[in-house]
Amino acid sequence: DAGVIQSPRHEVTEMGQEVTLRCKPISGHNSLFWYRQTMMRGLELLIYFNNNVPIDDSGMPEDRFSAKMPNASFSTLKIQPSEPRDSAVYFCASSWEETQYFGPGTRLLVL
Amino acid sequence: KNQVEQSPQSLIILEGKNCTLQCNYTVSPFSNLRWYKQDTGRGPVSLTIMTFSENTKSNGRYTATLDADTKQSSLHITASQLSDSASYICVVGATSGTYKYIFGTGTRLKVLA
Repeated sequence: DAGVIQSPRHEVTEMGQEVTLRCKPISGHNSLFWYRQTMMRGLELLIYFNNNVPIDDSGMPEDRFSAKMPNASFSTLKIQPSEPRDSAVYFCASSWEETQYFGPGTRLLVL
Repeated sequence: KNQVEQSPQSLIILEGKNCTLQCNYTVSPFSNLRWYKQDTGRGPVSLTIMTFSENTKSNGRYTATLDADTKQSSLHITASQLSDSASYICVVGATSGTYKYIFGTGTRLKVLA
C-alpha cells in the first residue's frame, strides 16, 4: 500500500489566493483527519470525517477554511482567501480503528 | 481546561543510553493516550495507544506507561539509536459528545554518536 497520499507536497502562493490541498487515504480506512502543524502551535486537528461524513470541524480556524470528502478515496482542504498566517504544514491522516496513519504533509507558504 | 504538557522540551543523549519522556494531562473525560514519533520533515508515526485500563504498552524499544490516577504518562526509550532522533508527541483523546484530540507540544530528542 502506498500509504496516505497528499498533494501538492509544497505550495507557495500569494495572500488572497485560493489554495486547495488534496488527500487520498489508505484504501479501506473509514476515518480521515486534517491537521495543521506550526512551530508556535504544534499539531492541531482541524476536522475529521467518518465514513465520508464530517464529524467534528470545531478545529477549523475560520470560515475561510473548508473541507470536503466526496467519496471514500478523496478529500480536499480549501483555504479561500489565504493569508500569511495560514503558512504551516498540513497533514492528512486516515485510520480504520485506533491507529492513524499520516501522510507526508503539504508545506504551505502564503506570501 | 483540557491540556497536555510534555517535558522536557528538548533532550540530548548519547547513543546507547536510555531516556524517559513525560506527559502530564488534564483532559476529561479521558478516552485514550497516544505517543507519536515525528521525524523532521515527515508526518507523525504512531508508537503506542493506551486506554484507561492499560498501564503499560511496548513497541520494540519504546515502552509507554500510563497512570490514570495521577494523569501522567511516560515514554521510555531503551538503548537509544541515532534514528531515535525525532520529536515525540503525546496526544490525549477525550469523548464529550464528539471525539476530541488534545496535543502536547512535543519533546525534541537528539541522540548523539
